[in-house]
Amino acid sequence: DIQMTQSPSTLSASVGDRVTITCRASQSISSWLAWYQQKPGKAPKMLIYKASSLESGVPSRFSGSGSGTEFTLTISSLQPDDFATYYCQQHNSYPLTFGGGTKVEL
Amino acid sequence: QLQLQESGPGVVKPSGTLSLTCSVSGGSIGRSSYYWGWIRQSPGKGLEWIGNIYYSGSTNYNPSLKSRVTISVDMSKDQFSLNLSSVTAADTAIYYCVRQAAQTFDYWGQGTLVTVSS
Repeated sequence: DIQMTQSPSTLSASVGDRVTITCRASQSISSWLAWYQQKPGKAPKMLIYKASSLESGVPSRFSGSGSGTEFTLTISSLQPDDFATYYCQQHNSYPLTFGGGTKVEL
Repeated sequence: QLQLQESGPGVVKPSGTLSLTCSVSGGSIGRSSYYWGWIRQSPGKGLEWIGNIYYSGSTNYNPSLKSRVTISVDMSKDQFSLNLSSVTAADTAIYYCVRQAAQTFDYWGQGTLVTVSS
């Protein structure tokens, strides 16, 4: 299985901050990486797929980059609605696997 | 707008079988080229992909659960189901049904909590 490791596990930030979350894969996954946002009591919502492709309807302040084994999710200017937990997921091969999550808090 | 809704018992006895159904509305399982699957989330193990099924009946399962999992589809009802046998407390989790597009998950049900307890 491909192991996905996110850092940090918790991130303290303020509205307007630029936020960066890192995800590392245990082996190369090319650009097959997705990012999800999850709020308490809700299902995850896909933000980005194939490392940098923005899902329809997702604000442009979200962006993704990287390839191979190292990836980042960037929120250019953190908004109140963005306080949530973020997960990466490799979509290179089965079994599909997720990172442990990064909680973005005030 | 596509919607997915999980249903099934909220409590399952240890060594029993967990059975959940996902009802799809706003679209048809059979008239699409997507896989339909299950993901669970527990505090101890985070998000875990369980497996998926294509309308043809072709399946993929997580090797860690493969010996205990069966996913089936009923196209006439636009439903697909999860059976997980020999459950233990470690199977206590929120179970989500999902639509899988190119190995990503673009539609999710709201999730249903299943507790394994006697």
